Amino acid sequence: ETGVTQTPRHLVMGMTNKKSLKCEQHLGHNAMYWYKQSAKKPLELMFVYNFKEQTENNSVPSRFSPECPNSSHLFLHLHTLQPEDSALYLCASSQDWEYNSPLHFGNGTRLTVT
Amino acid sequence: QQQVKQSPQSLIVQKGGISIINCAYENTAFDYFPWYQQFPGKGPALLIAIRPDVSEKKEGRFTISFNKSAKQFSLHIMDSQPGDSATYFCAASPARAGNTPLVFGKGTRLSVIA
Repeated sequence: ETGVTQTPRHLVMGMTNKKSLKCEQHLGHNAMYWYKQSAKKPLELMFVYNFKEQTENNSVPSRFSPECPNSSHLFLHLHTLQPEDSALYLCASSQDWEYNSPLHFGNGTRLTVT
Repeated sequence: QQQVKQSPQSLIVQKGGISIINCAYENTAFDYFPWYQQFPGKGPALLIAIRPDVSEKKEGRFTISFNKSAKQFSLHIMDSQPGDSATYFCAASPARAGNTPLVFGKGTRLSVIA
């Protein structure tokens, strides 16, 4: 069983809805990440938190809003999304952010925006 | 310069054969090269990684070959098995990631047929 748990596994939402994705890691890691995975495109890094502080925001639209209340939990709040935002959203954690250490991914949330 | 180009996009190999996936990069600051394996419905998982102080790293049936002068690296899967059927992603970054996060290739979907 993965040490990174994501909920929900699937989410269908309309463009006017507000929803949140949740991620929890049980590995004692200090860095947590949100990635977007779309077909035939490289994994896109969205946000990075290191020791609960946001260190990376890759020009992500404001309709995506991350929250990291502690080093074990990460949320992605969604509002007024577009159909092109439909994708698999992956959460990951690693021991640290500055020096490359292996990323541990959750199984993702499959998001469909209608 | 931040891209990692991965080929082929898809690959079909007979059971027992050798699967070869290639990646190329431009950024000479990259010196950490991991490969991730992703099964359907699962998040990617680290398979094997190499740093450029060695030209080859082997773990079981999986081998990374690295050519620093050509800025290329490849994954070889010996004696490929149906259980190896998955999507494989190469990636690259400086060893000290800091503000240069891991850059992923677009992935190769491997199917091993009996």
